[in-house]
Amino acid sequence: QVQLVESGGGLVKPGGSLRLSCAASGFTFSDYYMSWIRQAPGKGLEWVSYISSSGSTIYYADSVKGRFTISRDNAKNSLYLQMNSLRAEDTAVYYCARDHDYSNYFDYWGQGTLVTVSS
Amino acid sequence: DIVMTQSPDSLAVSLGERATINCKSSQSVLYSSNNKNYLAWYQQKPGQPPKLLIYWASTRESGVPDRFSGSGSGTDFTLTISSLQAEDVAVYYCQQYYIGATFGQGTKLEIK
Repeated sequence: QVQLVESGGGLVKPGGSLRLSCAASGFTFSDYYMSWIRQAPGKGLEWVSYISSSGSTIYYADSVKGRFTISRDNAKNSLYLQMNSLRAEDTAVYYCARDHDYSNYFDYWGQGTLVTVSS
Repeated sequence: DIVMTQSPDSLAVSLGERATINCKSSQSVLYSSNNKNYLAWYQQKPGQPPKLLIYWASTRESGVPDRFSGSGSGTDFTLTISSLQAEDVAVYYCQQYYIGATFGQGTKLEIK
C-alpha cells in the first residue's frame, strides 16, 4: 500500500534552517510528481512546492520562494524540503503528498511533521 | 492567484440529513480544451491528513462512499453528503488545480 512518511521537523529559531524528508513506498516513486503542503496550527491548507517526476520542473509558493528548496532522490524513493531563513509564520505541519495523474491534486498524503519556528 | 471561498464556514446537520458545502473560485477553473473542471474536495478529520474525496469536480475517488457527490462548473461548486453519518464529522476543503494549487478556507461539519 502507498505510504508517505515525513521526518525532520522540530523546533528552530527564526532565521534558522531545517531539512524535511519524506520516504515513499508502495508505488513507483519515480513515476509521480510530488508536493509539499503545510497547515499552520488551527488553520487551512497551503500548497508550498511541487516537483516533477524527474525533478526537472519545480514550482514554489510566493511565500517561500528564495528560502525553500524542494528536491528528490528517485533511487532512494525520497522527497526533501530544505527550509532556510525560517520565520514564525512558517510554523506548521508539513505534509508530503503524491500528485495524481500529473494534475496537481493529491491522492495520498503523509501524516505530516511539525515545524515550529520560535525563539 | 485563484482564490477559493467556501461557504458556510461551519455547518451543523442532523444524522441522516443532507449536508451541502459550497465553493466559489475567483476565476473559472474549467479548461475548455478538455471540458474538465480542475476542482477537488478533501475531508480532514482531527489529527489526520486530508483525504481525497472528489476530483474533476464530480469524480469520486475509489473507496469513497456514494453518499458523497460533487457538482458544479466554472466558478461555482458544491459538495453534497446525501445522508450524514457520524463518521462524516470533519473539515472539508475544496482545491483548484487549474493554476498551481490553492485551497478554500475549510468548512467544519458537525452533528446537530
